Order: sequence, then C-alpha cells, then structure tokens
Amino acid sequence: NAGVTQTPKFRVLKTGQSMTLLCAQDMNHEYMYWYRQDPGMGLRLIHYSVGEGTTAKGEVPDGYNVSRLKKQNFLLGLESAAPSQTSVYFCASKPSGSYEQYFGPGTRLTVT
Amino acid sequence: KNEVEQSPQNLTAQEGEFITINCSYSVGISALHWLQQHPGGGIVSLFMLSSGKKKHGRLIATINIQEKHSSLHITASHPRDSAVYICAVNFGNEKLTFGTGTRLTIIP
Repeated sequence: NAGVTQTPKFRVLKTGQSMTLLCAQDMNHEYMYWYRQDPGMGLRLIHYSVGEGTTAKGEVPDGYNVSRLKKQNFLLGLESAAPSQTSVYFCASKPSGSYEQYFGPGTRLTVT
Repeated sequence: KNEVEQSPQNLTAQEGEFITINCSYSVGISALHWLQQHPGGGIVSLFMLSSGKKKHGRLIATINIQEKHSSLHITASHPRDSAVYICAVNFGNEKLTFGTGTRLTIIP
C-alpha cells in the first residue's frame, strides 16, 4: 500500500496563478484533511472532509477550495495564489472510529 | 480556547542523554498524539494515548489527565533522533490541534 500520497512535491507559482494539489489515499479512510505548516507555527487545518462528497472549513480556509468527488482523493485548489500562501502543505487521512491520522509527504509551495 | 503548548522550543543534547519534551493543553481531551518530523521530511505518528504510558523501543510517552500534561522521553539518545517532535490533541472531536513543535538536535 502506498498510504497517503501528494502531488506535486514542489511547486513555484507567480502571484495570481492557480493550481490544484492532489491528495490520494489507498486505505479506504473516511476522513481526509488539508493542513499548512509555517515556520514558528503549528500545523493549521485548512479544510477537511468526513466522507465522499462532503467538505468543511477548518481554521484557515480563506483563499482555498476543496473537493472530494471520490473517496480516495481530496483536492486542494488555490484560485489566485498570494505570497501569503507560501507554505508546506500536508494531507492526512484517518478511518472512522480512530483518532490516528496518517500524513502524506508534503508539498512545498512557493508563491512569488 | 483550545490550546496546546510545548516546551522547550529547541533542545540540543549530547548523544546518550535522556531527553524530555513536554506538552500541556487547556481543556479535556479525547486523545493526545506525539508526532515526529525529520528535516525536509514527512510526519510520522509515534504515539496516540488517552491515559497512562506507552513505550516503543527507546521512546516513552506519558500523560497525566488531571494535570493536562504529557511528556515524551527518549532514552540513550542518538543523532538519528534529531527531528522536530510535535504534540497534537483531539479536543473531543475528529480534528487535531497542534503544538508548535520541539526541535531536537543530538550531537555525536
């Protein structure tokens, strides 16, 4: 099993460009999460999903959109990137009935 | 407000030393997690606990529910233990609240 994978691993965007980050898991987990990690701060929740077709806002949702059309995939979109969105993005998933989350390897995004 | 605080922020020690990293939280929890992140690397779960103590190899995690405090201990530390250690908490729901992490450096 690959676990949780993220695509791409690195990306550089110019201000105003758009992009989509893909998270995929092969563990049949119900819950999926998108976080951002910035220096000096703990990971912060952007959006999450409790099942296929559902999404919900986390702590820092502004400037991001998400979709969960298939159970195994959770997409994070930036419609108009801003330098403040320069960060490392982590996806995670977990099964129902457990609190343990499984993390992807991260995507390092730089917006210039 | 649901908060998680870790100390110290940075810790440098000699190989072989006993290491303690602390985590405190503001209100009652469902579960507490200790995570490890190597430089430039992903995040790995070390422990999940809601009471008592757990041990895995040289790593030990304890939690005191009454004092709202958890500790992560590393015995006989080794340079490969150098990483950021993150405490995270479930405050009664399916979402995690994270501490800011402790950067541990073990010098040979």
